[in-house]
Amino acid sequence: DAGVTQSPTHLIKTRGQQVTLRCSPISGHKSVSWYQQVLGQGPQFIFQYYEKEERGRGNFPDRFSARQFPNYSSELNVNALLLGDSALYLCASSEGTGVGQPQHFGDGTRLSIL
Amino acid sequence: KNEVEQSPQNLTAQEGEFITINCSYSVGISALHWLQQHPGGGIVSLFMLSSGKKKHGRLIATINIQEKHSSLHITASHPRDSAVYICAVRPFSGGGADGLTFGKGTHLIIQP
Repeated sequence: DAGVTQSPTHLIKTRGQQVTLRCSPISGHKSVSWYQQVLGQGPQFIFQYYEKEERGRGNFPDRFSARQFPNYSSELNVNALLLGDSALYLCASSEGTGVGQPQHFGDGTRLSIL
Repeated sequence: KNEVEQSPQNLTAQEGEFITINCSYSVGISALHWLQQHPGGGIVSLFMLSSGKKKHGRLIATINIQEKHSSLHITASHPRDSAVYICAVRPFSGGGADGLTFGKGTHLIIQP
């Protein structure tokens, strides 16, 4: 079975542009979470979606938004890109929500802002 | 101060050595995860713990909830164990969300 897939793998944008990152969860998984990992740091939680509803949001500005589709895939949108948005964006999926749900991570999208 | 602190930040050891990576956290948690990240970014989940001890092959993870501390041990280390090991917790304060709070990671290099 395919794992969590993210696209694109690499992306280069300039300041002020907008970007859309995509994530397909493992088949049967209904929860998708997004994380930002700046070089040299641990990942930081951005959003969680479950059954197409936002379940949680981290401490990120409104320039960051996301949605989940009926097939449980998800998109992360970032507007008005800043240099500091350069990072690895990770998507993780789980079957459901709750303590006992392990998260399965994709390989990430590496976003570079020039 | 970060809510999740790992030590050491960097560790270089010889093949065969017993490795210990420590994680301390300052918030109430419902679960703690140990993850492995290889160059290029992909993250693999190694353990999810809420109490006690778990073992998988040469890897052992322990947690002491009262002391807010966890350790990851690698026995008979091998160069293929070289990676960044990350501790992450699921805080009670997440409002029901499953978002994890991560440490900065421990960069482990095992030399042949």
